Amino acid sequence: DVKVTQSSRYLVKRTGEKVFLECVQDMDHENMFWYRQDPGLGLRLIYFSYDVKMKEKGDIPEGYSVSREKKERFSLILESASTNQTSMYLCASSSGGYTGELFFGEGSRLTVL
Amino acid sequence: AQRVTQPEKLLSVFKGAPVELKCNYSYSGSPELFWYVQYSRQRLQLLLRHISRESIKGFTADLNKGETSFHLKKPFAQEEDSAMYYCALTGGGNKLTFGTGTQLKVEL
Repeated sequence: DVKVTQSSRYLVKRTGEKVFLECVQDMDHENMFWYRQDPGLGLRLIYFSYDVKMKEKGDIPEGYSVSREKKERFSLILESASTNQTSMYLCASSSGGYTGELFFGEGSRLTVL
Repeated sequence: AQRVTQPEKLLSVFKGAPVELKCNYSYSGSPELFWYVQYSRQRLQLLLRHISRESIKGFTADLNKGETSFHLKKPFAQEEDSAMYYCALTGGGNKLTFGTGTQLKVEL
């Protein structure tokens, strides 16, 4: 059973703080993704990675960066958090072969004050 | 650019009534379409994909390329179907574009 684990379920940060969101998957998946989920806006792709040390911008990368030093771990970084980054962040992974099936974590709810 | 449109934010039906969740897409090539579901306090998960042409939990969805639609249907709604449903599209590979979601509420 695929498991995608996001280290923090709830975070409260102040404007300007640096924020790290960690995601680990245990199924040796090549692909990993970070989405943000907002009511009325659905899921929007921030960044994704097809391989270690590889990253590609999604649809809304501004204000975010990512790191993938190991295959199983994909981190989302907010260099200087702002209130408009208050959101639910979802990490997902998928196998290298094309299936279209993403396996999601439980989500990290970030509030920036 | 690829886009997925789900026109209804909320759909409320009575138990036993038919359900249709609408999804329209915009894509210049041959898309692959999916429905994902998120039940209360659970992870987002794949419900079905059009290439499989399968019925999952009584739900079906047919890709209509002429109307660029991929509506999700179920003949008789059950209380446990209450959830948030997302339509998603890819032009190939695993990068999915999601719609804005429809909250389905099945009332007794």
